[in-house]
This record gives sequence, structure tokens and C-alpha cells, in this order.
Amino acid sequence: NAGVMQNPRHLVRRRGQEARLRCSPMKGHSHVYWYRQLPEEGLKFMVYLQKENIIDESGMPKERFSAEFPKEGPSILRIQQVVRGDSAAYFCASSPTSGGNYEQYFGPGTRLTVT
Amino acid sequence: AQTVTQSQPEMSVQEAETVTLSCTYDTSESDYYLFWYKQPPSRQMILVIRQEAYKQQNATENRFSVNFQKAAKSFSLKISDSQLGDAAMYFCAPGGSQGNLIFGKGTKLSVKP
Repeated sequence: NAGVMQNPRHLVRRRGQEARLRCSPMKGHSHVYWYRQLPEEGLKFMVYLQKENIIDESGMPKERFSAEFPKEGPSILRIQQVVRGDSAAYFCASSPTSGGNYEQYFGPGTRLTVT
Repeated sequence: AQTVTQSQPEMSVQEAETVTLSCTYDTSESDYYLFWYKQPPSRQMILVIRQEAYKQQNATENRFSVNFQKAAKSFSLKISDSQLGDAAMYFCAPGGSQGNLIFGKGTKLSVKP
């Protein structure tokens, strides 16, 4: 059973470009969480999605950031017009069900560098 | 808002010795879970141990155990017989109401041979 997959592992973008980060959850998992980790910090929750639904986006910046989890295919975190402050590691985690009582399985992360 | 405090930015332990990492949190939830995750230099997040807040018994997983004090909102991690492979960042994370995890800033653990 493959774990959570994220790609690309490393992404370099120039200021003003768009970044697309992909996450494939573990087989059988329909709940996806995105987190951002700045250098020397813990992970910060961004958004929680189920298939075709955004459940909680309270941690998502209001502008330039969007996320989706379509019926088919991976979850996508999209950052438009990237700025240097977007440079961070972005982690995706999946869970078989909702609620805070289940372990979340993390992907290896995507390290975004904005030049 | 939920907050998590890990008051020890760095800790060091001799191989085979025991070390305790502290964590306090604030939550308005009545039923929740708490987790300790480990992040080695590879940056992969690895679950170390999980505690159910409604259970009084402290969770144990091989060399890892917790001291959970619900009233004090304290959730410390004890690592016994420390090994070189235990060197990593350790994050305390209570579960939020929607299932999202709230992470502390982490404690960097070094293990001396």
C-alpha cells in the first residue's frame, strides 16, 4: 500500500509565477489536509478537503491560494503570483475519516523556493 | 484558538539514557486526541505516539511513553534507552475540531554517542 505521494519534491518559481503542488492520498483515504512549514517552525494548517468539497480553509491565505480535491485525481494546492514569503515546505496528509481522532499520514512534502 | 507550547527549543541526551520533552496546550474541545510526531533530517513526518484525551491511562509505544495530565493540559513525551536514530525534531500536536492538527514549534533532540 503506497503511502501519501507528493510531487514535485522540489519546485523553484520566480516571483509572479504560479506554483501547483500535487498530493495523492493513501489508497482508501478520502480526507486530505495541507500544511505549510516555514523554516525553524512547526507545521501550520492550511486547508482540509474531502472529495469535491472544501471542509475547512480557515488557515488558507485569502488571496492567491486555492485548493481542490476532485473526484478523480490528486489534490492540488495552487499558489498564484508567488512571492518570496511563499518559500516553505508544503506537506499533505491523508486520513481515512474525519475528526481529530485518527492518525494523519504525511507525504514527504514539496519544498517551494521562490527566487 | 488552540495553542501549543513546546518550551524546550533544543534538548540533548546521551545514548541509552532517558529524556523527556515537554508540551502544554490550550483547547476548548472536550474530546480530542494528541499526537507526537518526529521529523528527521529527511523532513518526513513520522507518528511517534497517540493519546486519547478521554483515557486516563498514558499511552506507551515501545521506548516511547507519554505523561498526559488533562487538567493541566500537559502532554510530555519520554524516550527511554535513547538511540542515535532518535535524533530529530519532535512536534506535539493536539487534534483540532475538524481533525486538523495544531503543531507546536518543535524540540530539536540531539543524541550523543
